[in-house]
Amino acid sequence: GNSVTQMEGPVTLSEEAFLTINCTYTATGYPSLFWYVQYPGEGLQLLLKATKADDKGSNKGFEATYRKETTSFHLEKGSVQVSDSAVYFCALRNNAGNMLTFGGGTRLMVKP
Amino acid sequence: GAVVSQHPSRVICKSGTSVKIECRSLDFQATTMFWYRQFPKQSLMLMATSNEGSKATYEQGVEKDKFLINHASLTLSTLTVTSAHPEDSSFYICSARDTGGTDTQYFGPGTRLTVL
Repeated sequence: GNSVTQMEGPVTLSEEAFLTINCTYTATGYPSLFWYVQYPGEGLQLLLKATKADDKGSNKGFEATYRKETTSFHLEKGSVQVSDSAVYFCALRNNAGNMLTFGGGTRLMVKP
Repeated sequence: GAVVSQHPSRVICKSGTSVKIECRSLDFQATTMFWYRQFPKQSLMLMATSNEGSKATYEQGVEKDKFLINHASLTLSTLTVTSAHPEDSSFYICSARDTGGTDTQYFGPGTRLTVL
């Protein structure tokens, strides 16, 4: 079956530091990959997505590249801000299906 | 962008009562909506897939008689927690897939249920 594995948090960084949150997946076929962000007390917001190998999703300074050879979709940002503090979820969806499979989430804490 | 709303955002109820949570897609039609449950500091657990005009599909271990789902229109799904107990206290999140536009799954802001 499908599964998504994320690095465990919390990840604590100082403002302007470089961020990497690792995500690897197991799936049949060619899934679409997503990163969602959840701010405290809120639902999930789509951050970025990629639908095929070598695609790069980007938004708000965050990037992730769909790497089929390593089955990875690591999230990166060059310079984090305090406002980026949130929980980040990696997810996949098989193109034949409706259902999203989520990773466990990674809490990011950015200190001034 | 597409928006999914939930109502109420917070609800506190007594044990034994029933609580209804509404999920609406505001600017797109959703034949399929999803209901998730999230425990503190954990990931989302899919409870059920709600299909417009037909019965919901429940995940293994989710009691369909306790968590009633109705998807009466292309923009509205409701989750009713019947005879709620303290262990039902949780954060409930719905989502809807916009298959007609961006083919993206959008999430509601969540409903915090506390059962006393």
